[in-house]
Amino acid sequence: AQSVSQHNHHVILSEAASLELGCNYSYGGTVNLFWYVQYPGQHLQLLLKYFSGDPLVKGIKGFEAEFIKSKFSFNLRKPSVQWSDTAEYFCAVNEASGGYNKLIFGAGTRLAVHP
Amino acid sequence: GEEVAQTPKHLVRGEGQKAKLYCAPIKGHSYVFWYQQVLKNEFKFLISFQNENVFDETGMPKERFSAKCLPNSPCSLEIQATKLEDSAVYFCASSHGSEQYFGPGTRLTVT
Repeated sequence: AQSVSQHNHHVILSEAASLELGCNYSYGGTVNLFWYVQYPGQHLQLLLKYFSGDPLVKGIKGFEAEFIKSKFSFNLRKPSVQWSDTAEYFCAVNEASGGYNKLIFGAGTRLAVHP
Repeated sequence: GEEVAQTPKHLVRGEGQKAKLYCAPIKGHSYVFWYQQVLKNEFKFLISFQNENVFDETGMPKERFSAKCLPNSPCSLEIQATKLEDSAVYFCASSHGSEQYFGPGTRLTVT
């Protein structure tokens, strides 16, 4: 069965620090990969996605993620975080075949950025 | 519409009461998904629809949960005889491809 692991449950950073959030998945086939963000009191928003092609994906708000197939990883990065990045971040995967498959989410990483 | 709409925003039910949640997908999206988020933890998939047909119901508790997507009506998720452990935020998402767009959620509190 598919599963997604996010290694960091809570991350605390100062503004301007660099961010890397880990995500590993378990699935033998081809997958689509996603990072979603949930700001306090708001619903999920898509940060970026990988379907195929260039494994380095750029998303909104300066975020990027790199798909490393050999490591089953899709880590999220941002060179310099801002206070407004305080939120919960979820990695998710679904089966690429079929195209309309359920998302399997990781447990989330809560990021707190201090001014 | 351009956003997934969910009603109500909050719902409080006593244990044993029925709860019904609604979701209006983005126009033109033929797939609808329901997820449950308990205590700000990970999202658990419940059920998905392709138009009015059930597409995947592998996450749906069989006993008390049911869902429908009828033509020209919002989709609905109904919980009969709610239990305390049903307290969660229920998110609906819609899709016309591999990307899913999420609604704001309905917070269900069972007391």
